[in-house]
Order: sequence, then structure tokens, then C-alpha cells
Amino acid sequence: GAVVSQHPSRVICKSGTSVKIECRSLDFQATTMFWYRQFPKQSLMLMATSNEGSKATYEQGVEKDKFLINHASLTLSTLTVTSAHPEDSSFYICSARDLLRPKLNEQFFGPGTRLTVL
Amino acid sequence: DQQVKQNSPSLSVQEGRISILNCDYTNSMFDYFLWYKKYPAEGPTFLISISSIKDKNEDGRFTVFLNKSAKHLSLHIVPSQPGDSAVYFCAASAGNSGYALNFGKGTSLLVTP
Repeated sequence: GAVVSQHPSRVICKSGTSVKIECRSLDFQATTMFWYRQFPKQSLMLMATSNEGSKATYEQGVEKDKFLINHASLTLSTLTVTSAHPEDSSFYICSARDLLRPKLNEQFFGPGTRLTVL
Repeated sequence: DQQVKQNSPSLSVQEGRISILNCDYTNSMFDYFLWYKKYPAEGPTFLISISSIKDKNEDGRFTVFLNKSAKHLSLHIVPSQPGDSAVYFCAASAGNSGYALNFGKGTSLLVTP
């Protein structure tokens, strides 16, 4: 149990286009999902916290108008990178919390999405 | 500002020996600590965690030690196996921040036969 999927796994796009990344909890309900970004040889940096049915909370320095997050259901959150530029190229990873798990702080991660903007 | 630090970017250990991965943190509000294992181009996999009310947690070959006064934790893997070769991330969270995780930069562990 506690499987998180992401789609697509890899995407290459032209500069100026928008890209949508989906994060799904397959066998549990996730009221909270997190979006992280990882640059090469760096740590995972939290971008935003997404709560089902409410607006996402963005970390300092993350542009909310550029990284649109929607968490419309208990099993799906989407991250849209709008007007993507080469500097947005990165590895984007989502995670989800299962509130029914006894260990409240466990997060289950998706496999990640590699975004390359040309 | 990196609140979780893993100062050793890499570690090489012989199979069967103990691997010790270290992690330091600066935020005294952190009350939960986790270790994740990660392979390239994959998401992290949860390994083991520890609450700030404990100083040790053991799960099979993995043991995490927490020294709150030193703001230091370590992951011990014994005996180390070649399949343990991966990047290990230390993460910490504070309950009042919605449990968002702060990650270190990771330590790449190589276990040689």
C-alpha cells in the first residue's frame, strides 16, 4: 500500500509552453500533498504544500503564478509550470501523507518527473 | 538557508561492515526526523524515522540515533549490503509547519563486495 504515481515521468518542451504534472495517491487518501524540486546534486527543496479543496501554500521564493497547484480530490494534485523556461528544468517530485497511517509524519513519494525545457 | 546538513557527500563501505551516515540540523523546532533512500531518477523511499522524544529507533539492519542536545542524528546500517548502495537523505520536520520536510543534500553510499 501507499503508492504514489506521477505522470508524465519525463517531459521535454519548448520555452514558453506550459506543462502539467499529475500526482496521484493510488491506494490511500491524501488530504495533503507536497511538491518538491531537485536540481542535480542538490537536496529536495519544498516548493508548496497542497491541501485538498483549498489553496496551496507556497514556500518563499516560489512564484505561485508560475507554478500552479490544484488539489481537487483526495487522490490527485496537479502542478502546472506555466510559460516554462530553461531554468525551470529540474526533477519534480510529489509526496502525499496518508492520515490513516499510525506514523503521522510519513510521506510517500512519487517517482518524480524530469522536466527539460529547451 | 540549509536547515538540515549532510556534510559527507559520499561514503564507501565494505560489504558486511557498518555504514554510518550523519546528519546535523539547526532548527530546534524540528520534532520528527526521517531517513530516505533514493536511486537516480526515482522518488525517495522511506527507510526509518524517529520522534524527538526518543533517542534511538531500530528496524532490522537500520538504526537511527538522535542527539537533541547536539542537534545531530545518524543512520547505522549493519551489516551493509551491496544493495544498500544509493543516496541517503536525512529529513526533518516541525509539527507546526504542517509536516513539510526539510531535506539535507544527501550522502551517496557505496557498498563494495
